[in-house]
Amino acid sequence: EAGVTQSPTHLIKTRGQQATLRCSPISGHTSVYWYQQALGLGLQFLLWYDEGEERNRGNFPPRFSGRQFPNYSSELNVNALELEDSALYLCASSPWAAGNNEQFFGPGTRLTVL
Amino acid sequence: QKEVEQDPGPLSVPEGAIVSLNCTYSNSAFQYFMWYRQYSRKGPELLMYTYSSGNKEDGRFTAQVDKSSKYISLFIRDSQPSDSATYLCAMSADSNYQLIWGAGTKLIIKP
Repeated sequence: EAGVTQSPTHLIKTRGQQATLRCSPISGHTSVYWYQQALGLGLQFLLWYDEGEERNRGNFPPRFSGRQFPNYSSELNVNALELEDSALYLCASSPWAAGNNEQFFGPGTRLTVL
Repeated sequence: QKEVEQDPGPLSVPEGAIVSLNCTYSNSAFQYFMWYRQYSRKGPELLMYTYSSGNKEDGRFTAQVDKSSKYISLFIRDSQPSDSATYLCAMSADSNYQLIWGAGTKLIIKP
């Protein structure tokens, strides 16, 4: 069974640009979660999608947004990039919204903002 | 005060030692407790999942929950260099709610 995949592996942008990160969940999983992991800060919850709907979002500004497609893959968009957005962005999936305690993570996209 | 507190370490122990990793929390509604392991440059992977209080054992790993003290632990017996990683605790009040994460403890097992 293929795991959660994320693309690209690395992304380098300059301040003010936009970044788009992609995630494909495990087959059969309907929930997708996005996290930001900055150095030394642990996982910060960004967004949770299930069945195409945004179920919850963390304490991040509106320039962080995303969506979930009919095939359950997901996209995270970060607009007007700032230096402090540099981090590892992790995507996780779970079988359904009610089972969100068992999350399966992808390898992450490392975003560097110059 | 953070909802979940976890010492970031690093915690360095010799190979073969018993390792104890801990998290404390403030929300008495938490019922689901998880430990994830994260190797460098990888995503976290679920190690242990417990519900409510008590112990759960899986091979060399034992997860312990003490809800009265709001304290959870992960014990690793016969530690190996391959156990060197960051260990994150996570918890939630209900399976319909988002997980609340600790900052992670970096563990180093010295050969």
